Amino acid sequence: AQSVTQLGSHVSVSEGALVLLRCNYSSSVPPYLFWYVQYPNQGLQLLLKYTTGATLVKGINGFEAEFKKSETSFHLTKPSAHMSDAAEYFCAVSESRRGSGDKLTFGTGTRLAVRP
Amino acid sequence: DAGVTQSPTHLIKTRGQQVTLRCSPISGHKSVSWYQQVLGQGPQFIFQYYEKEERGRGNFPDRFSARQFPNYSSELNVNALLLGDSALYLCASSLVSQASPLHFGNGTRLTVT
Repeated sequence: AQSVTQLGSHVSVSEGALVLLRCNYSSSVPPYLFWYVQYPNQGLQLLLKYTTGATLVKGINGFEAEFKKSETSFHLTKPSAHMSDAAEYFCAVSESRRGSGDKLTFGTGTRLAVRP
Repeated sequence: DAGVTQSPTHLIKTRGQQVTLRCSPISGHKSVSWYQQVLGQGPQFIFQYYEKEERGRGNFPDRFSARQFPNYSSELNVNALLLGDSALYLCASSLVSQASPLHFGNGTRLTVT
């Protein structure tokens, strides 16, 4: 069984400040990890993913995340927040073993607010 | 390139009724998955279909069913609607490979009164 915990349902930062959204996962097999963003009344858009290899993953819009196996974490960061980053962010995990298909387990989400 | 398209965008139904939601995947994507997103929560996996066969099912009652057509489009059916079925229903498509990311549509907002 796999699960995702996102610490902090709401995060507020000033424009230009560091963004840090926390995600911890639980998986019985090596995981695939994802961050998605959801804007109001829209579906989810992939920001970045970790499958294998380099543990620091760069995504779109200046976001990056680091896979830390020892801490079972996959925190999302961005050095400088922009007003357009205000949205809901979801961390998700899937199992890497063959046959697990497209079943993603999502966290409950973190709503990011950016103050002018 | 067109993304994942879902129809209708909004739907209002009464308890006990049945509903059919439709999804067209990105061209070339053979796998379609359905997720339910209740307000304030993360999406929950309902089904995955690949090559017209069910490849995965989440913890949902038998009132939920789906199918995939030869052109890889998909329908999600929900019978005997309950108030708790009110949610955003998201369809996602992907390539075959295990680590392929899901590409989501904008969803169908279902309201059950």
